[in-house]
Amino acid sequence: GQNIDQPTEMTATEGAIVQINCTYQTSGFNGLFWYQQHAGEAPTFLSYNVLDGLEEKGRFSSFLSRSKGYSYLLLKELQMKDSASYLCAPYSGAGSYQLTFGKGTKLSVIP
Amino acid sequence: EADIYQTPRYLVIGTGKKITLECSQTMGHDKMYWYQQDPGMELHLIHYSYGVNSTEKGDLSSESTVSRIRTEHFPLTLESARPSHTSQYLCASSEYRGRQETQYFGPGTRLLVL
Repeated sequence: GQNIDQPTEMTATEGAIVQINCTYQTSGFNGLFWYQQHAGEAPTFLSYNVLDGLEEKGRFSSFLSRSKGYSYLLLKELQMKDSASYLCAPYSGAGSYQLTFGKGTKLSVIP
Repeated sequence: EADIYQTPRYLVIGTGKKITLECSQTMGHDKMYWYQQDPGMELHLIHYSYGVNSTEKGDLSSESTVSRIRTEHFPLTLESARPSHTSQYLCASSEYRGRQETQYFGPGTRLLVL
């Protein structure tokens, strides 16, 4: 099975940097997704980490440590439109194509 | 921009009715998924498919059924809708190239069963 832990809510100021942490315990692991989901909308893909280390994509970066079962999503130069839920999702391979989503971290960006 | 579509976007229906939620994608993806999500709650996988004629149940038990007769089409059916089925249903498809897998979501169907 899968166990995913990320903070329920976070608040940050416009223009600031915020780091959303995720720890996971999985029976199989192939990589980890981060998704953004605005209220009432479908999730949209942000990143997929397979190897250890930091991957940067514009204002968003994602880090993975496979040995520690740990990932974080880093958001820089926060904008009001970044207010959303951020979902951590480990992906198990080895014949199973299931993606398990965490409960998500609701980020509120304030002026 | 992902080409994955769901219809209807919103559906209000009475108890006992049979309904089919449509999902189609034009990207040729083999893998497709159905998720259920209540407002403010987490996503739960209810069905997935590796390809044509392949369907599997997900982590969350669901009274719905799915079929995969064509690559691009993955409909979900409820034989007899009940108020407990009220939720948002999200369809997704994914491609896997080397070490990279990307999963794309459709816009969702909001179902209200009275």
